[in-house]
This record gives sequence, structure tokens and C-alpha cells, in this order.
Amino acid sequence: QSALTQPPSASGSPGQSVTISCTGTSSDVGGNNYVSWYQQHPGKAPKLIIYEVNKRPSGVPDRFSGSKSGNTASLTVSGLQAEDEADYYCTSYIGNIPSYVFGTGTEVTVL
Amino acid sequence: QVHLVQSGAEVKEPGAAVSLSCKASGYTFTNYYMHWLRQAPGQGLEWMGALNPGGDYTNYAQKFRGRVTMTKDTSTSTLYMQLSSLRSEDTAVYYCAREGGEIVTPQKNFDNWGQGTLVTVSS
Repeated sequence: QSALTQPPSASGSPGQSVTISCTGTSSDVGGNNYVSWYQQHPGKAPKLIIYEVNKRPSGVPDRFSGSKSGNTASLTVSGLQAEDEADYYCTSYIGNIPSYVFGTGTEVTVL
Repeated sequence: QVHLVQSGAEVKEPGAAVSLSCKASGYTFTNYYMHWLRQAPGQGLEWMGALNPGGDYTNYAQKFRGRVTMTKDTSTSTLYMQLSSLRSEDTAVYYCAREGGEIVTPQKNFDNWGQGTLVTVSS
């Protein structure tokens, strides 16, 4: 199973928005609504920020939002803050195997 | 609150096996699927497999079948993962993670993570 495709990097100034794409296939991203996003700061464990395409766990700011169209999911971070500077990974459940595939990761820089 | 505390760093020679542990607290251990994932240095995340702490179900990623064994001890709420025939490419930080939603309504995500265990494979 090939990794989901994410842009290697994205950036924005404080207060701006940044959107990260996550492209898969009809077998993963396009095949179900079990797409989730994780934020990882250097040396730390990942943190769940979006699940089931567009749901936020308790405690995650509403600046983080998710969506999906066809085989591509997206994460938008609005009102960028310094603490949003991190790596972001998408993942999709693959129901017919079953297993999980991760995205290649995107490094977000707050300028 | 949920806590997942993993065992300490390991250094192993190629061909050896490593056993890692993950002790859970703050919730009912048998009610949630548990997963193991890993991250090689400077690389992305990789799912290794899952286990039902309340039953016999295990599911290993195709890549690791034959080399990985996931077990649990419900008396101590501890998850274990053994990886055998280690090679240099297995050098990584290994994470245990809880799946969101109870077993009856799994959410197919990883809502709580351990702190990670660095495994170094080197001769």
C-alpha cells in the first residue's frame, strides 16, 4: 500500500490560513470517511487533531478543520499561531485489508 | 486521564529480537483497541498492527507478519510488542496508541499515544 501524498512543506504568516492536501486512492481516502490528521512537534508523540474527515477531538481549537473531496482530504489551519509550527500527517483506514496508511507528512512553518 | 507509558530505549544487534511494553491507565484497558506504530529517524509514521485487549483479535500489517507479535496482560493493563529478526531499517521510535471510540464503536484513529521508545539496531 503506497503512502498518501502530502506536500513536503507549507507556510503562512501569523493570522493567515494554510491548507494541506492528502491524496490517496479509492481504496483508502476515497473509500471511507475514516481520515484523520495528526500534529507532531519535534521530539514529541503525534497528537490527534481531526478524525472522521472533519471532527475535532475535545480540546482541539476550531482553527483546525478538515474536509474531503473524492480521493483527496484536506486540513486547514486558520488564524495561524506560532505553536502551529509542526509536522502534520494524514492517515486513512483501509477497510478491505484492514489496515492504515499514513501520508508523507507536511512541515508547516509560521513565518 | 489516559496515560500510556512505554518502556525505555533499546539497542539491539541485527538478527536479534526486541520486546517493548506499554502500560495503560486512566481508562478501562479492555474496552479499546490498541495499536503499535513506528517512525524511522526523519521519516513518517507507519502502522504495524492492532490488538483487542479484551479478546484474542490481532491484526498485523502485511509488512510485519511473521516478525511481529502483539500480546497483552489484562491484569496489569500492559501491552507488549515483540519484533524479531531485527535489521538496521528497524531503527525507529516505536509508539503504542489507543484507538478512539470503544471496541463496539471504533473510530479508526489513534486518540492517545505513548511517549515512544527508541529502538536502535546496530552491530
